[in-house]
Amino acid sequence: GENVEQHPSTLSVQEGDSAVIKCTYSDSASNYFPWYKQELGKRPQLIIDIRSNVGEKKDQRIAVTLNKTAKHFSLHITETQPEDSAVYFCAARGSNYKLTFGKGTLLTVNP
Amino acid sequence: GAGVSQSPSNKVTEKGKDVELRCDPISGHTALYWYRQRLGQGLEFLIYFQGNSAPDKSGLPSDRFSAERTGESVSTLTIQRTQQEDSAVYLCASSRGTGDEKLFFGSGTQLSVL
Repeated sequence: GENVEQHPSTLSVQEGDSAVIKCTYSDSASNYFPWYKQELGKRPQLIIDIRSNVGEKKDQRIAVTLNKTAKHFSLHITETQPEDSAVYFCAARGSNYKLTFGKGTLLTVNP
Repeated sequence: GAGVSQSPSNKVTEKGKDVELRCDPISGHTALYWYRQRLGQGLEFLIYFQGNSAPDKSGLPSDRFSAERTGESVSTLTIQRTQQEDSAVYLCASSRGTGDEKLFFGSGTQLSVL
């Protein structure tokens, strides 16, 4: 089955700096890669996703890049703000249509 | 419905008791997942239902855990003879299924085993 590795497990940045979270996956047939944000005490919510026929996708301060050859994808947050502080999870949909999540990255944005 | 609904929101039980957690997915969603999230930890996959296919039970941690789903609607997660290490938030999520994988999460059931 699919295996997703996520790094780093914790990330601390100063407000205004950029943050990058990286994930790798194992199933070369995976074709859908979402990112979820989970604020403290709340449910995970989808913030951005990308499909395997696209190399990059942007939504305001958030962007995701995908390298199919290397089987890795990354989340980029620019001009970070304190409200970006949360746990971020990457995921990959494997050939059995099941979403597999990474272990999460705790992002702290210091004012 | 408006979203994925889980009940109860909180459950406190004594060690050794059985508990049943309920999930109502969004109407029309064929895929349904159960995850366990311990405090400060990631999303631990438990079980995945997709339409009428046999469920993927590969994440269930022991035979004390089981889950059922009635057609493409309600799902229940049952934990028998609960142990203290079962204490966690149990999250349910659903999606339209094949071709549309956007996953929507419920607010979870906080299970505390005393």
